[in-house]
Amino acid sequence: EIVLTQSPATLSLSPGERATLSCRASQSISNYLAWFQQKPGQAPRLLIYDASNRATGIPARFSGSGSGTDFTLTISSLEPEDFAVYYCQQRSSWPLTFGGGTKVEIK
Amino acid sequence: QVQVVQSGAEVKKPGASVKVSCKGSGYIFTNHAMHWVRQAPGQRLEWMGWINTGTGKTQYSQKFQDRVTITRDTSATTVYMELSKVRSEDTAVYYCARDRSQWLDTWGQGTLVTVSS
Repeated sequence: EIVLTQSPATLSLSPGERATLSCRASQSISNYLAWFQQKPGQAPRLLIYDASNRATGIPARFSGSGSGTDFTLTISSLEPEDFAVYYCQQRSSWPLTFGGGTKVEIK
Repeated sequence: QVQVVQSGAEVKKPGASVKVSCKGSGYIFTNHAMHWVRQAPGQRLEWMGWINTGTGKTQYSQKFQDRVTITRDTSATTVYMELSKVRSEDTAVYYCARDRSQWLDTWGQGTLVTVSS
C-alpha cells in the first residue's frame, strides 16, 4: 500500500503567518491527493482534491500544489480558526491511505 | 443541504459484533458511494471499505476483509457497517463519508465504538 509521510509533525505559528505543510508519497500518485482539516471532536473536512482544487466553500487562502510524490498545502495567512490538524490522503490505488497528520498550533 | 448522520456511541465486549448506521440526505442517495474510515486514539485515519449505493457492490481493505460487512438500504437512504469479533484495538471513532469522484467530500459526525470487558 502507498505510505504518505507528512512533515513537520507540528508547526507553531502566529495568526497572519504563512503555513507550509508537506506530504510525501512512497510512490508516484500523479495528482490523486486530497487535504483535510480536522478540529478536536470534529470530523475531517475536505479542503483540497486532485492536489490543487479547492473544495466547495474553502477560502482562497488555502492552496495545494505538487504531483508525483511531493505535495504541499499552503495557508497564506493563518486565521484563528485554521489552527487544527491537517491530513493528506491518496486515491491513486487501493486501499485509500492517509498521512499521519500535521498539527498547526498557535505559537 | 447535504447531510450524513451516524448512529450513536456503542460499547461492546470483546468478541461481539457492532453495527453502525449512516443516513444520507439532501442528495440522490444512489448517485454517491459511501466510505467507512476509522480513527483510533493517537492513530492516523484508516480506510475500511466502501459501497456503491446503487449496485450494492462493496470493496474492503484487506486488513478488515474477514471482519467487516458494509450494506445499504436504499429505501431508508442508509448505509451500515458491521464489524465482527471486535477486540480492544477496535476502539475508535468510526466515520462514514460520502464519495464524490472518489474523494470523501461529506463526513458523518463520527461514532465512538468502545470495546471493553
